[in-house]
This record gives sequence, C-alpha cells and structure tokens, in this order.
Amino acid sequence: SQQGEEDPQALSIQEGENATMNCSYKTSINNLQWYRQNSGRGLVHLILIRSNEREKHSGRLRVTLDTSKKSSSLLITASRAADTASYFCATDNTDKLIFGTGTRLQVFP
Amino acid sequence: NAGVTQTPKFQVLKTGQSMTLQCAQDMNHEYMSWYRQDPGMGLRLIHYSVGAGITDQGEVPNGYNVSRSTTEDFPLRLLSAAPSQTSVYFCASSRTTDYSGNTIYFGEGSWLTVV
Repeated sequence: SQQGEEDPQALSIQEGENATMNCSYKTSINNLQWYRQNSGRGLVHLILIRSNEREKHSGRLRVTLDTSKKSSSLLITASRAADTASYFCATDNTDKLIFGTGTRLQVFP
Repeated sequence: NAGVTQTPKFQVLKTGQSMTLQCAQDMNHEYMSWYRQDPGMGLRLIHYSVGAGITDQGEVPNGYNVSRSTTEDFPLRLLSAAPSQTSVYFCASSRTTDYSGNTIYFGEGSWLTVV
C-alpha cells in the first residue's frame, strides 16, 4: 500500500489565490519531498523537508511538516495559470521513495 | 545534458508478448528505480537498485524483471504482458539514497498499452 495520501484529490482556484495541498503518511520518515508533474511529463522535484524541520520556504512555496500527526502541507501563494499541474508528496523508507496519490491543481486565469 | 533517458516513448503490445523498457542515465548515479503511474493511484515503485549488480523489489514487482549490469543502465522487462500492465512507466535516478542532499531525476515516461 502507498505511504502517502494527498488531499484534496483535485483543486480548482483562480489566479492570485493560494493553493493548499495536504499529505498524510503512515510510517516514520527521514525526509518528505514534494514533486510537480505537468500533464504528460515526468516529475520535477520542488522541495525537501527533513523530519527535524517544521517549515520550509522556497519562493512561492511553503511546506510544513508535523511528524506527530504524520502529515505535511504544501502552500503555493499567489498562484499562476502556469502552476496548473499534479503535485505529489513522497516519503523515504530506507532505500525506497514512496509517492502519494497526488493532487490535481487547476489554476484559472 | 541528457539526464535520464527512457525508450520507447510509446508502445502497444499484445497480451503474452514480452518487451524491455530501456532506461539510461549519464550522471553516474548509484540509485535507479522504476515506477508505474495509473489514474488515481499515483506512482507505485516496481523495482529499484542501489548500485550495479544490486536490485530489489518495490511495491508492485510481479510480472517485471530488472537487472543492473552497469551503473548507467536499468532496463525493465515485462515477461508476458497483461492488460493490467497498461500504464505509464517512469524511470528515476539519484546520486545516492540520502535524499537529504540529492535530487531525484525522472525520465519523461513510457506509455505502454497491452491489448
């Protein structure tokens, strides 16, 4: 079974709004990562947060991690139409990187 | 800068046929892996390798074989294709499995249809 589950499954917003996606996982982790996938393309790494970190920023991205709740959130601020993509969280389990089911984000101009 | 290269991009197979999806990376990465992506299922790990000569099973290994005879190549073999193997396949590589300091690079995907 997969380690991560994202919610919502799909999210539609207007340009300029913020988008928040959540990820829950099952077992203890060393790191949690977020990836982006444009339609028909491979995944691109966005940001990594270590298990001893609670929050991390990268440009318009803000990631939080709550290891006690086994959950993480990805916030995209001031969204743009170009942010339209699927977003996945991934957790490491020894040598394996296990992905969640993803959130499909649609940003309307 | 080739990165991770997968071939073929698209393939249609008949049930029972065998085929190999090729994956090559030119970054001297130790770690390589194969995922399949199905609607609503995200990416599921099929097999992975932490170095030449070493392979291990992921979440959904049945029906697939891998080998890692060189650092650069990590082919995925479908032994006897089944319609349930219709999916998009992604190869990925990373310098090591210490993800704290490494980025994972993905190929562009291989679309496989089994009829």
